[in-house]
Amino acid sequence: AQKITQTQPGMFVQEKEAVTLDCTYDTSDPSYGLFWYKQPSSGEMIFLIYQGSYDQQNATEGRYSLNFQKARKSANLVISASQLGDSAMYFCAMRENGSGGNNRKLIWGLGTSLAVNP
Amino acid sequence: EAGVTQFPSHSVIEKGQTVTLRCDPISGHDNLYWYRRVMGKEIKFLLHFVKESKQDESGMPNNRFLAERTGGTYSTLKVQPAELEDSGVYFCASSQLGSGSHEQYFGPGTRLTVT
Repeated sequence: AQKITQTQPGMFVQEKEAVTLDCTYDTSDPSYGLFWYKQPSSGEMIFLIYQGSYDQQNATEGRYSLNFQKARKSANLVISASQLGDSAMYFCAMRENGSGGNNRKLIWGLGTSLAVNP
Repeated sequence: EAGVTQFPSHSVIEKGQTVTLRCDPISGHDNLYWYRRVMGKEIKFLLHFVKESKQDESGMPNNRFLAERTGGTYSTLKVQPAELEDSGVYFCASSQLGSGSHEQYFGPGTRLTVT
């Protein structure tokens, strides 16, 4: 069954340190995509990073990197050099590509609330 | 370029009343999605439009929910009659047509409270 699991309801990190937010997934589709979104207190959902199931390299976007371990079905988000503005909810999501074609719906985890301490 | 907009930002209604949520996607985005987050639960997919056609409505909770996208531009989601369990944040997202585009762009959400 399609499922995203985020086991950390809340995390704390000291400013300027790195933090890893966990995400495991379950799918029987060999082709899928994994996403991380950030939701600050203002409510908007901000796309951070994407990893395709066939991508050979781990995705990176600035201070964000995705530690993709396909055999373990994990897609952890690593935020380096945390900033106060990183305090937010972080959601992991998956899209199964099926037979290909158009965008598909996203399946979401419960989210992790990250607090960055000064 | 304007992002995805949603109206209203908040709505408080009584059980049994009707509410209509509106979403304006990014211009040129043929894919439009509705999601809902109920307090303490995962964000759940509701439905997906491609232009004006419903591609996938498997997530719609029941027939009290009606979504439309006339002309393939903005979309509305009507809840009639509203029940207490309909409370939550309703997100709309849009994306370009085609599998090469990964990102879904989200609106700020509409927080619906049914009392």
